[in-house]
Amino acid sequence: KNEVEQSPQNLTAQEGEFITINCSYSVGISALHWLQQHPGGGIVSLFMLSSGKKKHGRLIATINIQEKHSSLHITASHPRDSAVYICAVESGTGTYKYIFGTGTRLKVLA
Amino acid sequence: KAGVTQTPRYLIKTRGQQVTLSCSPISGHRSVSWYQQTPGQGLQFLFEYFSETQRNKGNFPGRFSGRQFSNSRSEMNVSTLELGDSALYLCASSLHTTYEQYFGPGTRLTVT
Repeated sequence: KNEVEQSPQNLTAQEGEFITINCSYSVGISALHWLQQHPGGGIVSLFMLSSGKKKHGRLIATINIQEKHSSLHITASHPRDSAVYICAVESGTGTYKYIFGTGTRLKVLA
Repeated sequence: KAGVTQTPRYLIKTRGQQVTLSCSPISGHRSVSWYQQTPGQGLQFLFEYFSETQRNKGNFPGRFSGRQFSNSRSEMNVSTLELGDSALYLCASSLHTTYEQYFGPGTRLTVT
């Protein structure tokens, strides 16, 4: 079992829909990151969370430390949101500082 | 402010050769991390440097090494290349080790 699990792996939505991507982890963490990767490889850091909730434009990220779970929400989705969304945890212990989920491939149709 | 730059952007090497990749962080950033991305394994953490010192290291063999210079620029080296080393190598910089990271465009390495 992977230490960081994302669901769903693939998601197709219609423009305007509300989208939720989930991330569960099994290790102790000091922070959780949500990343966005567009075709071509460029990665943008969307959020870094250690507790609670953060909002940036149409994106909202939440984390529940007790349940070891985080969600990324996209409101009023748009085709330009089509990308791979990756959850990464910053492990507070051990040698491997960052552990990545396998990503959620999102396609938003016009 | 200029973003993170990586050189070269594309590279083709032969099995057994070695390669050096370069990363120039955003001005003022002192932490540089390196990552490998492959279709099979996804993103994996290689190592992190802060003020010329390696702070963390991922689970990669000793063929993978890196260093950071006094101007925060970083290089990573892979010796005795294997076909499985073909990947997108990304570096990211941040002000400090616990701050938000900014990613470079990556170097796509192909080993034949």
